[in-house]
Amino acid sequence: SAVISQKPSRDICQRGTSLTIQCQVDSQVTMMFWYRQQPGQSLTLIATANQGSEATYESGFVIDKFPISRPNLTFSTLTVSNMSPEDSSIYLCSVEDWETNSYNEQFFGPGTRLTVL
Amino acid sequence: DQQVKQNSPSLSVQEGRISILNCDYTNSMFDYFLWYKKYPAEGPTFLISISSIKDKNEDGRFTVFLNKSAKHLSLHIVPSQPGDSAVYFCAAREETNFGNEKLTFGTGTRLTIIP
Repeated sequence: SAVISQKPSRDICQRGTSLTIQCQVDSQVTMMFWYRQQPGQSLTLIATANQGSEATYESGFVIDKFPISRPNLTFSTLTVSNMSPEDSSIYLCSVEDWETNSYNEQFFGPGTRLTVL
Repeated sequence: DQQVKQNSPSLSVQEGRISILNCDYTNSMFDYFLWYKKYPAEGPTFLISISSIKDKNEDGRFTVFLNKSAKHLSLHIVPSQPGDSAVYFCAAREETNFGNEKLTFGTGTRLTIIP
């Protein structure tokens, strides 16, 4: 299965600033996803990022707040813009590779724990 | 609107016994169901999945059962081991209007195996 790393692993940020989270995969993958897990909540899909096209955002998430880049098949970034304390969450990236996996599962990175003061 | 529900936030089971984790869903468009296991400070790890056209899938100590008419699935772990202590998430997959695939997760059940 794909090995996924995220940077930073955690950060404490001030209100009104922005943070860019990086996701690196050890193999080329077709689909990458960004999730958020707020304290005590489930994982919620923010957007799907396919290489060479604009990210597709889920209801309740907009590009101005969560801009995403996907420059190649092994890397993506998620920016949390103009942060407020409500953005304090764990942000996770995941990947799905249609060509290699037989269970249609997604592989997750370790997550980035963000605290906004 | 919570489309995937795990009504038990926590479960304690004696080591060696069977652990049964339950999940209910409301969306008939889900075509695949997955179980993930999550340790603190780590991302979720895939455990086992089942297609909506099947009613059972087994992999070692893990078995998932799907009752499509009841919109209910369960994960059985037998025998339970201390290393199974973690948070378990049920997830359901659907194809979106954009042709992408989307996973919807339940809120998780914290399983504690008592030695």
